[in-house]
Amino acid sequence: SQQGEEDPQALSIQEGENATMNCSYKTSINNLQWYRQNSGRGLVHLILIRSNEREKHSGRLRVTLDTSKKSSSLLITASRAADTASYFCATDALRTSYDKVIFGPGTSLSVIP
Amino acid sequence: DGGITQSPKYLFRKEGQNVTLSCEQNLNHDAMYWYRQDPGQGLRLIYYSQIVNDFQKGDIAEGYSVSREKKESFPLTVTSAQKNPTAFYLCASSIVQGVNQPQHFGDGTRLSIL
Repeated sequence: SQQGEEDPQALSIQEGENATMNCSYKTSINNLQWYRQNSGRGLVHLILIRSNEREKHSGRLRVTLDTSKKSSSLLITASRAADTASYFCATDALRTSYDKVIFGPGTSLSVIP
Repeated sequence: DGGITQSPKYLFRKEGQNVTLSCEQNLNHDAMYWYRQDPGQGLRLIYYSQIVNDFQKGDIAEGYSVSREKKESFPLTVTSAQKNPTAFYLCASSIVQGVNQPQHFGDGTRLSIL
């Protein structure tokens, strides 16, 4: 089963609106990362938030982490058509035989001009 | 510009054929990774390498093989033993291997069966 899982699976908004995506995970983590993937391309790293951090900002992106609820959210403010992409959260798994990052199935975001 | 180059962009495999996907990075990163992406699923780790001449199996290594003879290169061979190879394959690298390291990705190779 997935360590991290995004919600919703798909999201469609008008340009200028805010987009919020959530990620829930099952076991304790050291870090949580968010990535973006444009159609047919590789993933691009957006933000890494550590377990002792509650909020991080990068431009129009705001990430929060609530370790008590085992969840994170990614907020994109004032969305643009160019934000249309899939967004993935990636968590680590502390109790495995090797350090690895586990990617969720992603949220597909469509921003309509 | 530093980055990761994957080639070819599209690849077709015949029955019983082995095919090799290329991944080259000029970021001077020690760690490299291969992932498989199927529609509606997250990325699944095939193999990873922490350093030259060393690599470990990921979650779905069966039917795949890799080598790491040079720091810059981490080719993936999809063997005939992989019965369902149709997928999007992504190569990534990070400065060192670890869960707190951002990964840099190539633009993928889409493999299909003829």
